[in-house]
Amino acid sequence: QQQVKQSPQSLIVQKGGISIINCAYENTAFDYFPWYQQFPGKGPALLIAIRPDVSEKKEGRFTISFNKSAKQFSLHIMDSQPGDSATYFCAAKPYNFNKFYFGSGTKLNVKP
Amino acid sequence: KAGVTQTPRYLIKTRGQQVTLSCSPISGHRSVSWYQQTPGQGLQFLFEYFSETQRNKGNFPGRFSGRQFSNSRSEMNVSTLELGDSALYLCASSPRGGVPGELFFGEGSRLTVL
Repeated sequence: QQQVKQSPQSLIVQKGGISIINCAYENTAFDYFPWYQQFPGKGPALLIAIRPDVSEKKEGRFTISFNKSAKQFSLHIMDSQPGDSATYFCAAKPYNFNKFYFGSGTKLNVKP
Repeated sequence: KAGVTQTPRYLIKTRGQQVTLSCSPISGHRSVSWYQQTPGQGLQFLFEYFSETQRNKGNFPGRFSGRQFSNSRSEMNVSTLELGDSALYLCASSPRGGVPGELFFGEGSRLTVL
């Protein structure tokens, strides 16, 4: 059973547009929700992360929105650029284990 | 500061063989985790080591094992390889064990089982 469900599987956005990727979880023990970016041939790299005590976190063009009651969180990429083309993974970690559960990934393609 | 280093980067094995993958974490990081990445299953947690002790384990068969040395370097071993073991094996280190922290991933070891 997938603990973190991610959608869409793939996304095509025009340069300058907004990319939105959604994730949902069930386990209320999760207390740390990061997003990772992975380029071909590379390992995932942390992009931005949030804890459930805040509803939104923004770092540059990247924003996480978090809805604790709905057990959902999303990544918004503003002013998307071709260099943002990569695979994005959401993840969640329970408070007492250093074990991350990853979503299935979203392949983002930003068209010039 | 050097990143997480994984060796070998690529390897090809045949069914029934065994393989050992190596991971050198970022200097000062004591927690090392291993993940398997496949197109169908995504990233799945294998195990985590901290101070030479396995602290967490994922849902993989006993053919998958690992260890951590006193210098925090880690190895994972897969015995009696199966075709389905073909995957990218990612190692990640964390600066603090047991406390939510960032995972720093290596570039992975891509294993192909023929």
